Amino acid sequence: AQSVTQPDIHITVSEGASLELRCNYSYGATPYLFWYVQSPGQGLQLLLKYFSGDTLVQGIKGFEAEFKRSQSSFNLRKPSVHWSDAAEYFCAVGARGNEKLTFGTGTRLTIIP
Amino acid sequence: KAGVTQTPRYLIKTRGQQVTLSCSPISGHRSVSWYQQTPGQGLQFLFEYFSETQRNKGNFPGRFSGRQFSNSRSEMNVSTLELGDSALYLCASSLAGAGTGELFFGEGSRLTVL
Repeated sequence: AQSVTQPDIHITVSEGASLELRCNYSYGATPYLFWYVQSPGQGLQLLLKYFSGDTLVQGIKGFEAEFKRSQSSFNLRKPSVHWSDAAEYFCAVGARGNEKLTFGTGTRLTIIP
Repeated sequence: KAGVTQTPRYLIKTRGQQVTLSCSPISGHRSVSWYQQTPGQGLQFLFEYFSETQRNKGNFPGRFSGRQFSNSRSEMNVSTLELGDSALYLCASSLAGAGTGELFFGEGSRLTVL
């Protein structure tokens, strides 16, 4: 069975500082990996996805993530956060032929001035 | 183009009642998935429909059911509501399903069971 672990429940970062959110997955085959962001009262918006190829993927809003098969990780990074990045971030895993995504429990990001 | 639309956005029910939630996917999308989001359990997959057929189902009791119409609109129904059914129910649409691409989420229907 597939699973996703986001070890950090809550992270606080100063505006302008760099950010890294951790994600570890478990899946027997080659996974499809996603990062979604959810602002309060909103649905989820896709930040970026990895299906195959280049292991460093670029997403929207200046985010990037790196797939590391040896570590079963797909960490999300941003070089300089903005106050508007405050939200909850979810990592998810899926696969071809599997019509559901399995989500991590999320990491809540707080930005301080 | 219009996004995923969920109705109603908020609703309050009492235990034992039933509820029907609606989801209109992005035009051209044939796959609709439903997720339950709660603070304790996070995002849990309920089911996925593609061209009116349920292709996958999560680990929820039979009180949770759904359907999809020929225009790809989907409804989910929860019967005999329990307090633990209080949650944000999210609908997501995609061209061909989560296994092949991006999911586009609606803003959700927040259900409170009293």
